[in-house]
Amino acid sequence: DQQVKQNSPSLSVQEGRISILNCDYTNSMFDYFLWYKKYPAEGPTFLISISSIKDKNEDGRFTVFLNKSAKHLSLHIVPSQPGDSAVYFCAASANTGNQFYFGTGTSLTVIP
Amino acid sequence: ETGVTQSPTHLIKTRGQQVTLRCSSQSGHNTVSWYQQALGQGPQFIFQYYREEENGRGNFPPRFSGLQFPNYSSELNVNALELDDSALYLCASSLLQALNTEAFFGQGTRLTVV
Repeated sequence: DQQVKQNSPSLSVQEGRISILNCDYTNSMFDYFLWYKKYPAEGPTFLISISSIKDKNEDGRFTVFLNKSAKHLSLHIVPSQPGDSAVYFCAASANTGNQFYFGTGTSLTVIP
Repeated sequence: ETGVTQSPTHLIKTRGQQVTLRCSSQSGHNTVSWYQQALGQGPQFIFQYYREEENGRGNFPPRFSGLQFPNYSSELNVNALELDDSALYLCASSLLQALNTEAFFGQGTRLTVV
């Protein structure tokens, strides 16, 4: 049973425009959410996170929004750059902290 | 670079064989988790080790087992390999006492079972 879902397997955007990646979850016990970025032949790299006590967290070009009532989060990348082309995974954990649940990933292509 | 290293990077095994994968944690981290990432899927939690004890397990059969050593490095052992065990195996280290903290992943071991 997939508790974290990324329904868009791929996304293409023009360089300089906004990329919006979406993620939905079903478990109301999740209280910490993360985005990881993965290049081929590398492990996932941590990008940005948000705690359930917040609804927005920003780090440079990356902003994560959390809508707890909708059990939805999104990652905004502005402006998008070709180096952002990678697979992005959404992940969530409950306060046990010992297990991350991952979505299936969205492959982002930023077109120069 | 995360400081988490895994070996080997690639491995081919025959169905029914046993395999051991290794992971060195990032300095200062006391917790190691293992994940299996099948093609086209997100990483799936196998188990976590904290202070050399298993501290949580996902939906994987007992033929998946692990160890954590006093230096916090870890091994993942898989017995009686099946074709469906072919996947990327990821190790992640973290600091358990720090709740709401990210895990740092190694580059993974690509296991192919033939």
